[in-house]
Amino acid sequence: EDKVVQSPLSLVVHEGDTVTLNCSYEVTNFRSLLWYKQEKKAPTFLFMLTSSGIEKKSGRLSSILDKKELFSILNITATQTGDSAVYLCAVGANAGGTSYGKLTFGQGTILTVHP
Amino acid sequence: EAGVTQSPTHLIKTRGQQATLRCSPISGHTSVYWYQQALGLGLQFLLWYDEGEERNRGNFPPRFSGRQFPNYSSELNVNALELEDSALYLCASSLFYEQFFGPGTRLTVL
Repeated sequence: EDKVVQSPLSLVVHEGDTVTLNCSYEVTNFRSLLWYKQEKKAPTFLFMLTSSGIEKKSGRLSSILDKKELFSILNITATQTGDSAVYLCAVGANAGGTSYGKLTFGQGTILTVHP
Repeated sequence: EAGVTQSPTHLIKTRGQQATLRCSPISGHTSVYWYQQALGLGLQFLLWYDEGEERNRGNFPPRFSGRQFPNYSSELNVNALELEDSALYLCASSLFYEQFFGPGTRLTVL
């Protein structure tokens, strides 16, 4: 069965700190790893990673995938109170297996940024 | 561009009743996914519809069902509601691999 594990489960930092969120996975026929930010309701898409070693960057957020070691990290530099949210990692699989089409989510990391 | 929309925002039902939740995907997206987010359990995959067909189903009982209409909108039906069905139900749509989520329907079963 596909599995996605995130760590830490929660993190409390102060504005300006840099944080690293971790995501490890076991999935048959891996296709992609996605990061989402969930504040109130709808998870907001951040990144999709399919290739190892290529960093994706958007402002203060960046993410990288290691397909050999089966993990990804999400970095947030110079954190702000608006970064407080649950960060979700999800993995999608290729066709041919029972996982095709669905995303398997980790339990999320709750990030709290204090002023 | 309008995002994924869901209705209703909140739904309160009693045990044994049926609930119907609706989702309209982003224009041009043909796939719709349903997820359940119960407290403390994370997002659990329910159903995937593409081009009007059910393509995949998660580990949920048959009383969770749905359909996709010719305009790609979708409906999730939950029959014989149980207390543990109380959750946020999220719909997502995609054209390729990225899934974009709607705001969800909060279902409360009393």
